[in-house]
Amino acid sequence: EDQVTQSPEALRLQEGESSSLNCSYTVSGLRGLFWYRQDPGKGPEFLFTLYSAGEEKEKERLKATLTKKESFLHITAPKPEDSATYLCAVRGTSGSRLTFGEGTQLTVNP
Amino acid sequence: DVKVTQSSRYLVKRTGEKVFLECVQDMDHENMFWYRQDPGLGLRLIYFSYDVKMKEKGDIPEGYSVSREKKERFSLILESASTNQTSMYLCASSSGTQKGTQYFGPGTRLLVL
Repeated sequence: EDQVTQSPEALRLQEGESSSLNCSYTVSGLRGLFWYRQDPGKGPEFLFTLYSAGEEKEKERLKATLTKKESFLHITAPKPEDSATYLCAVRGTSGSRLTFGEGTQLTVNP
Repeated sequence: DVKVTQSSRYLVKRTGEKVFLECVQDMDHENMFWYRQDPGLGLRLIYFSYDVKMKEKGDIPEGYSVSREKKERFSLILESASTNQTSMYLCASSSGTQKGTQYFGPGTRLLVL
């Protein structure tokens, strides 16, 4: 059974204070690791897909990295508008299904 | 841009009512999904469909059914709503050729009284 664990559950940062969110996973045959951002009361918004260990993707202040056991979402010099819940999900060999973690709620204070 | 729309943002129903939630995607995606999201439980897959008229149970299908008569439309049906079905319902779609990236709709917050 595929499993995803995200840590920490919640993170408070000051504006400009860089940090990382962790996503640990176990999956039979990784076919993709996905990061989403979710604002309160809205659907998740796709950020990145990573497929193999060593891969990195960047978008503005966000950078996602992948190893064989975990992924990190690095946030550089965050701004208040980066406040959201960040979800991690994996796709294994079970077709199109994703297994989601419970998310990290990020708050960036001005 | 991929667009996934859901028929209602907020819905209030009474126990025992039949409830229809509709989802439409405009990207000709093969796969469509219904999730519910609850605090502390994360996103849980209810049903999914990989083709018209095809459906597969997810992790929590009890009390729900689905219908996919057209490729762009996937409906979630609560046959007899109960209070424990109060939740945020999210629809998603993905292409069979884009390695599984799912795109989500805005969600329907359902309250069953």
